[in-house]
Amino acid sequence: DTEVTQTPKHLVMGMTNKKSLKCEQHMGHRAMYWYKQKAKKPPELMFVYSYEKLSINESVPSRFSPECPNSSLLNLHLHALQPEDSALYLCASSYTGGAHNEQFFGPGTRLTVL
Amino acid sequence: KNEVEQSPQNLTAQEGEFITINCSYSVGISALHWLQQHPGGGIVSLFMLSSGKKKHGRLIATINIQEKHSSLHITASHPRDSAVYICAVVPSTGTASKLTFGTGTRLQVTL
Repeated sequence: DTEVTQTPKHLVMGMTNKKSLKCEQHMGHRAMYWYKQKAKKPPELMFVYSYEKLSINESVPSRFSPECPNSSLLNLHLHALQPEDSALYLCASSYTGGAHNEQFFGPGTRLTVL
Repeated sequence: KNEVEQSPQNLTAQEGEFITINCSYSVGISALHWLQQHPGGGIVSLFMLSSGKKKHGRLIATINIQEKHSSLHITASHPRDSAVYICAVVPSTGTASKLTFGTGTRLQVTL
């Protein structure tokens, strides 16, 4: 299994809703990433988990809350989002967080905040 | 000025043409990645390079560390190659897991 899966594919939510994005991989990777991508822009790193511990938080607002319950699963909990948070949210994983590790990306969740 | 610059920004080619996409960077790096993103979102890792040249099918990636430059070549291009191609580097200073992305090259291959 060389896949990163993400659910849901699409999500529409209001500014008062609470929702979660889910990412899963079964490649034995120990580093997992959340990226945000706006249209026609490159991805922006949000969070990195290494060995199930949060190692990087790129000053992301607290309305985004990551969670890594185990080495295969990564969640992103969303609460009180703003319309400008509408974007494609990409999950990725790599064997470790080292510089020479290829990152495998999921298909993304397209989020619309109304 | 971005640390990673790609050229061209947009490229239209006819099926069968040889395509070159360039990436220049201004920082020391540990590795460079070429990524492909189709409309609809998912990103596929094509190559990871720290020196020399790699080939996979019709794709060839080269890197010149001294000149801080990499190229992605597509031979015998096909409409299914239409996508955004993104160059990303791992700076040798800073966090090893953090990629610095170029702004992408949008490729359209027509029949």
